[in-house]
Amino acid sequence: EVHLAESGGDLVPPGGSLRLSCEASGFNFRDSEMIWVRQAPGQGLEWISYISGTGSSTFFADSVKGRFTISRDNVKNSLDLQMTSLRVDDTAVYYCARVFLNLTSRGIDYWGQGSLVTVSS
Amino acid sequence: DIQLTQSPSFLSASIGDRATITCRASQGISSNLAWYQQKPGKAPKLLIYAASTLQSGVPSRFSGSGSGTEFTLTISSLQPEDFATYYCQQLNSYPLFTFGPGTKVEIK
Repeated sequence: EVHLAESGGDLVPPGGSLRLSCEASGFNFRDSEMIWVRQAPGQGLEWISYISGTGSSTFFADSVKGRFTISRDNVKNSLDLQMTSLRVDDTAVYYCARVFLNLTSRGIDYWGQGSLVTVSS
Repeated sequence: DIQLTQSPSFLSASIGDRATITCRASQGISSNLAWYQQKPGKAPKLLIYAASTLQSGVPSRFSGSGSGTEFTLTISSLQPEDFATYYCQQLNSYPLFTFGPGTKVEIK
């Protein structure tokens, strides 16, 4: 059974840092591209970061570029999101998710349950 | 950057109704579009990818169509479990993804 489990969500003050982790099981993690998506309270979905299967390629949304980093450990089947210089508008549920590839088509087929990050003084 | 719009933002419908949601892209994205369903407090669920391919396990009352800049998600006969928020997502600018703003489908 596929399982993605985020952890690390917490209440942090503006300007603070936090590291989210995502443990994966039940699929070929090392060959899977992974992303982070967040959802502010009552709002829609926002893609924020991507990492290739090897970890050699990463991309970020403009809203988090320069503040967030993404990494992975293909031995431990884990994905991390390091967040720094946090702002109030970073408050959201953060989901880790897998990008699947079918021939030339992609979609996001596996999602974690989400981890809540609250940035507030 | 590719922007997505969805219409309507809210859709009020009854059990058994046909529901249609439209997603428009600011520039052509071929068929690189997916649809997701999200229920309150839950993670999104992939319904359709490549604009019209039904994800495994998704009921056949869901269908997708379109290419280029205009896409449609259709639910042929709304069931109680279909009341949720639906998002489109473009994957043409992979690996930079964009979601639409969402359409909430409510019970009339």
